[in-house]
Amino acid sequence: AQTVTQSQPEMSVQEAETVTLSCTYDTSESNYYLFWYKQPPSRQMILVIRQEAYKQQNATENRFSVNFQKAAKSFSLKISDSQLGDTAMYFCAFMKPMEYGNKLVFGAGTILRVKS
Amino acid sequence: GAVVSQHPSWVICKSGTSVKIECRSLDFQATTMFWYRQFPKQSLMLMATSNEGSKATYEQGVEKDKFLINHASLTLSTLTVTSAHPEDSSFYICSARRQGTENSPLHFGNGTRLTVT
Repeated sequence: AQTVTQSQPEMSVQEAETVTLSCTYDTSESNYYLFWYKQPPSRQMILVIRQEAYKQQNATENRFSVNFQKAAKSFSLKISDSQLGDTAMYFCAFMKPMEYGNKLVFGAGTILRVKS
Repeated sequence: GAVVSQHPSWVICKSGTSVKIECRSLDFQATTMFWYRQFPKQSLMLMATSNEGSKATYEQGVEKDKFLINHASLTLSTLTVTSAHPEDSSFYICSARRQGTENSPLHFGNGTRLTVT
């Protein structure tokens, strides 16, 4: 079974600075998908970024980018120019395609606080 | 964009009663929906996979007779917590994926906070 590990329970960053959230996973699969979801205090789950394992290029979405190291099974999220609205719990998630239901396996989450 | 509506957003019920939570995909059809449970400051724990027109698939340790799931149409899945007890108090979240896009990200409902007194 796949596992996802987020080793940082809580982090804080000053507004406008850069922060990196770590995520590692364990799988024997070669083809899979990785996601970062954000859950603000409203508790709505919001997709931040998505990476397909067969793509070597790191995904980028505006201020959010990932460092995907397939051999190391690492998938970190970098948030540049942090904003107060980035304060949320961030979840790394793994999905194996074509597995029944294509369900997501979530990490434990990292609480990020952006300070002014 | 794809919208998933979950209702109610919060509910308080007495111990021993049953509570039904609805999850609707508003602008797309979803063959599969997922139900998660989340405790404060913890991760989402998958409870079951809801399949339109067939029985749900429950994760290990989740009581199927306790958490009844019905997926009667391509846009609606319901979770019924039967004979609720205080330990069932939690945040329940549903998610869905547009039919025919099996590798696309999930879209989540806003969640339901259940409090059993």
